[in-house]
Amino acid sequence: DAGVTQSPTHLIKTRGQHVTLRCSPISGHKSVSWYQQVLGQGPQFIFQYYEKEERGRGNFPDRFSARQFPNYSSELNVNALLLGDSALYLCASSAGPLGETQYFGPGTRLLVL
Amino acid sequence: QQPVQSPQAVILREGEDAVINCSSSKALYSVHWYRQKHGEAPVFLMILLKGGEQKGHEKISASFNEKKQQSSLYLTASQLSYSGTYFCGTEITGSARQLTFGSGTQLTVLP
Repeated sequence: DAGVTQSPTHLIKTRGQHVTLRCSPISGHKSVSWYQQVLGQGPQFIFQYYEKEERGRGNFPDRFSARQFPNYSSELNVNALLLGDSALYLCASSAGPLGETQYFGPGTRLLVL
Repeated sequence: QQPVQSPQAVILREGEDAVINCSSSKALYSVHWYRQKHGEAPVFLMILLKGGEQKGHEKISASFNEKKQQSSLYLTASQLSYSGTYFCGTEITGSARQLTFGSGTQLTVLP
């Protein structure tokens, strides 16, 4: 079975631009969570979506938004990029919203210049 | 709310054992353990749920003390492939459904 897939793998943007990251969960999984991982730190929770509804939101500014589609894939959007947004963005897939194993995708490495 | 991991780093020889600890100041619903190698995504190792249920790899064990809100990951007879950064992630009872990760424990296994 295919694991979690993310696209693109790498991205270079300049300050002020907008970016869209995409994630496809494991087949049969209905929950997608997004994390930001800065070098040397653990992943920081951004959003969780389950059954196309937002179920959790981390401490990130409104420049960050996301959505989940009927096929359970998801997009993370970041507006007005800042240098500090440079990070590895991870998508995690799980069968349910709580107490379930989360499987991470390979991530999208974003560099903001 | 970030869980506290200890130690921050540990160096072992092949075949030695290690214990990594994770503690929270909040009541926990579950604890998740992951290993991440440099430049790669975190890989799931173990989940421990409130009430005692565990799911994970056969060669890795862990404990969850619900009273103390602490979890420990036990790596026995370590292999070179065990090297990496270990993260615990916690789900808090009654809170928004999110996994909060600790700052990680860097494990290095030497031949």
